[in-house]
Amino acid sequence: KNEVEQSPQNLTAQEGEFITINCSYSVGISALHWLQQHPGGGIVSLFMLSSGKKKHGRLIATINIQEKHSSLHITASHPRDSAVYICAVPALTSGSRLTFGEGTQLTVNP
Amino acid sequence: DVKVTQSSRYLVKRTGEKVFLECVQDMDHENMFWYRQDPGLGLRLIYFSYDVKMKEKGDIPEGYSVSREKKERFSLILESASTNQTSMYLCASSLRQGYGYTFGSGTRLTVV
Repeated sequence: KNEVEQSPQNLTAQEGEFITINCSYSVGISALHWLQQHPGGGIVSLFMLSSGKKKHGRLIATINIQEKHSSLHITASHPRDSAVYICAVPALTSGSRLTFGEGTQLTVNP
Repeated sequence: DVKVTQSSRYLVKRTGEKVFLECVQDMDHENMFWYRQDPGLGLRLIYFSYDVKMKEKGDIPEGYSVSREKKERFSLILESASTNQTSMYLCASSLRQGYGYTFGSGTRLTVV
């Protein structure tokens, strides 16, 4: 089983701060997913990346395949960024399935 | 944009009832998934389907069954609802292995 660990579990920041959420996994993968879940439940896919870096607005995702580690950065954080951020990797048993991290609860205060 | 639509946002059912949760996607995705999400346990896969009439058990299939008669629709069935099935249920789809996922808005099911 591909173990996925996220840190921190909870993160509180002030508006404007630079935020980093980390994700480590135990077995080599083809791609890693970052997901966002707002209160109310719906999940949005933010990034799928297999190497290097991707950027979308104030969100940046990086991955180091050799170190089996990925980071999600939020620049100039805003209260609307408050959500649970989840990283996920393909399961070893079937690449169509995902193995999820426990999630990071981010709260950004005004 | 791909849309994954779950039929209900909130549902309250009685113990012993047969419950149907419906999920529809509009972009011809091969793979569809049903997850449940509980505090402290994260997202857990119940069942997934990689083609019409094809299904595979996930990590927690007990007490559930699924149906995929058409490519766009994947139904989750609770044969006899129990209180321990009170949870948030999320449907997702992906074009095929190696592609991104699209999630529905979730159905919060309460079994009383």
